[in-house]
Amino acid sequence: NAGVTQTPKFRILKIGQSMTLQCTQDMNHNYMYWYRQDPGMGLKLIYYSVGAGITDKGEVPNGYNVSRSTTEDFPLRLELAAPSQTSVYFCASSERQGISFYGYTFGSGTRLTVV
Amino acid sequence: EDQVTQSPEALRLQEGESSSLNCSYTVSGLRGLFWYRQDPGKGPEFLFTLYSAGEEKEKERLKATLTKKESFLHITAPKPEDSATYLCAVRGSGGGADGLTFGKGTHLIIQP
Repeated sequence: NAGVTQTPKFRILKIGQSMTLQCTQDMNHNYMYWYRQDPGMGLKLIYYSVGAGITDKGEVPNGYNVSRSTTEDFPLRLELAAPSQTSVYFCASSERQGISFYGYTFGSGTRLTVV
Repeated sequence: EDQVTQSPEALRLQEGESSSLNCSYTVSGLRGLFWYRQDPGKGPEFLFTLYSAGEEKEKERLKATLTKKESFLHITAPKPEDSATYLCAVRGSGGGADGLTFGKGTHLIIQP
């Protein structure tokens, strides 16, 4: 069972370039999330999705876009990369029963450097 | 706004030396408090979910407890392989599936 798979693991972008971070999960979870993690800071929510075709902004959405065409995939798009987007990006998925959310399953992360 | 504060930021222990990590939180309507373990270069790994004050959960040398204002992660007779960053997070009732609020973590080092 692969869980949550993120690609690529590492990437260096030049300022102004664009890229898509890929995220796929095979657990049939409805809920998916993108977080960024900066040194000495807690994980910050960028975007989330409650199911195919439904996405919403998190705490730090500026400079990013997402789509959710299938249950399995939740790509994160960076347009016009800026140095402030240098970070480690994590994708996660979870499921819900009533008002109780189960713990997230995280991918292994994408380390992005913008120069 | 939900807030999570973890202390200490870093903790160095000798193998076998028990201790506790603290997670203080403020949240509107707790829907779950989560503990994760994160190893360098990897994604966080889920450990526990606690839902109500007085609840406790255990896994090997780890035990998580919850009060109305804070949670503790107790580590009993730790081993070097317990070295990691431990993250605490909360979900409030503020809105649907809008994610968890994470603390900055406690970096734990267990020396042989």
